[in-house]
Parts: sequence; C-alpha cells; structure tokens
Amino acid sequence: QQQVKQSPQSLIVQKGGISIINCAYENTAFDYFPWYQQFPGKGPALLIAIRPDVSEKKEGRFTISFNKSAKQFSLHIMDSQPGDSATYFCAAPRTASKLTFGTGTRLQVTL
Amino acid sequence: DAGITQSPRYKITETGRQVTLMCHQTWSHSYMFWYRQDLGHGLRLIYYSAAADITDKGEVPDGYVVSRSKTENFPLTLESATRSQTSVYFCASMGLQSTLYGNEQFFGPGTRLTVL
Repeated sequence: QQQVKQSPQSLIVQKGGISIINCAYENTAFDYFPWYQQFPGKGPALLIAIRPDVSEKKEGRFTISFNKSAKQFSLHIMDSQPGDSATYFCAAPRTASKLTFGTGTRLQVTL
Repeated sequence: DAGITQSPRYKITETGRQVTLMCHQTWSHSYMFWYRQDLGHGLRLIYYSAAADITDKGEVPDGYVVSRSKTENFPLTLESATRSQTSVYFCASMGLQSTLYGNEQFFGPGTRLTVL
C-alpha cells in the first residue's frame, strides 16, 4: 500500500523567507503528484501539481521540485507571506483515481 | 449552491448511535471520496465511489457504510459510533476529465464529528 512521508510536521518562517516541505513516496505506476493547501475550518484545495516527466513546476511563488530516482518531491514557497499560513499536504497516486496523502505540514509565516 | 456541500457541519453524538453524514455535489463528477482527518495522520481514505452504485473500501473502512444511488449524493453512515470515530470528515469529488491537472479532487468544507 502506498505510503507518503511528509516533513516537517510544522514550520515557522519569517515573512519574505523560503518555506520548504518535503515528501517521499513508494513505488507507483501513476504520474500525478499534487500539493493541497488547507486553511483552518476549510477543506483542502489543490495548490499545484506535477507530472514527473518534468523535474520542476513553478506557479508564481510556489515551486514543486521532483526527483523521480529518489522518489522524493518538495514544495518551495518563495517570499513567504502571512497569508500562506496554512496546512499543506502532499499526495502520491495510489491508483489512477486514488491518492495517498502525507500527514501534513502546518506552516506559520510570522511578520 | 454550486459545488460540493456537506451536512451537518458539526455533530455531537453518543457512543453506539447511528450517524449519517451527507455529501452533495453539483458537477456530476463520477468519482466521490470520503476522508477522515486526524492530527498526525493527515487525510485517510475511508470509502470511494467511481460512479453511482459502485463503491469500494479505502484505507480505513471499518465501522463505516456508504451508498451511492445518485451521482450527486454520497452519504457516509457510522452504524454504531465509537469514540475513535471522533474526527473531521471530508467529502471530495473528481471528474473523469477533471482539469488541466487531470486528477484534481474538490473537497467539501468538512463535518466535525464528536462521539461522546
């Protein structure tokens, strides 16, 4: 069964700094690796996703870096803002339609 | 309302009682999912459904029952609630050809369930 290890569990970053969250997955035959963002009291929402035919995907201040040989991928948030304070989940595909989520990282961006 | 909704948003019940959590989506998405969110465990899949009348177990199905007689509804029932089922429950849906990313799941706002 697919397992996804996510670290760190929590992260405090100063405004303007770089937030980095890491995930490692087990073997999968599928090729879709998303990151979800969740604000308190809300459901998770897709933030950014990557297919591993590329090693990096960038959308604004958010970048996914993907290392297929190491089975690892990470989320980088550049110029972190207080509005980025949320819980972030990585996920790896278990099947074509099912995901296994990491345990989550609570990010706090301080002024 | 358009999108995916869950009801109730908050529920307190007692051990042994039956509880049903509702999920409704307006997109006619084929896939629907139920997750529970617990600190230290992230989101764990309870049950999912690929279409009306097609359901299957996820990672943690014990103590839960689902049905899907209509595409838009996917209720989750706790037949005899236990304290270990205290959690936040999220419903999600996904279309066959969802988005640019292909596999985006859209989550509801969640139901916070407390079992006393």
